[in-house]
Amino acid sequence: GNSVTQMEGPVTLSEEAFLTINCTYTATGYPSLFWYVQYPGEGLQLLLKATKADDKGSNKGFEATYRKETTSFHLEKGSVQVSDSAVYFCALSGNNNDMRFGAGTRLTVKP
Amino acid sequence: KAGVTQTPRYLIKTRGQQVTLSCSPISGHRSVSWYQQTPGQGLQFLFEYFSETQRNKGNFPGRFSGRQFSNSRSEMNVSTLELGDSALYLCASSSRDGGYEQYFGPGTRLTVT
Repeated sequence: GNSVTQMEGPVTLSEEAFLTINCTYTATGYPSLFWYVQYPGEGLQLLLKATKADDKGSNKGFEATYRKETTSFHLEKGSVQVSDSAVYFCALSGNNNDMRFGAGTRLTVKP
Repeated sequence: KAGVTQTPRYLIKTRGQQVTLSCSPISGHRSVSWYQQTPGQGLQFLFEYFSETQRNKGNFPGRFSGRQFSNSRSEMNVSTLELGDSALYLCASSSRDGGYEQYFGPGTRLTVT
């Protein structure tokens, strides 16, 4: 079945550091890929998405490129801020529209 | 548009009781999914409803059930509560207009004592 694997955290960075959170997936067909973010005490918010190979999703300085050849969708940001501290989830939606989430990666950014 | 709303936000129940949680999707969204989130198991899919029909179901015991009404509002019910049911229950809605992005509510924090 479809599945998502993302790098385990926690990840701790200093403000303005470069962020990469790795995500790889296993799926049949052509899934859509997503990154969600969860701030403390809140539900998940859609951060960005990509629906086909080579698409790049971007939002709030975050980017991720749908790489079919490596089945990856790594999240990157050039300069993180303290306000980016949250848990990040990689997810995919397969052909039958079932959603699969990764385990989540907790990011802490220190001033 | 108003976002996904969930009620109640917090709930404390005793083992053996039952509980009903409610979710109102974004206006126009016909798909509602439920998830259980715990520190140990992460985010686990419970079920999805679309136009009042259960379309997908996760690997949870029959004590977990749900339904969807004609206005797309959804409820989930957990009977005979166990301590392990303590979790954040998240509801998400989707228009299913391709890409299947989901929009989440703030969740209901259930504590079973």
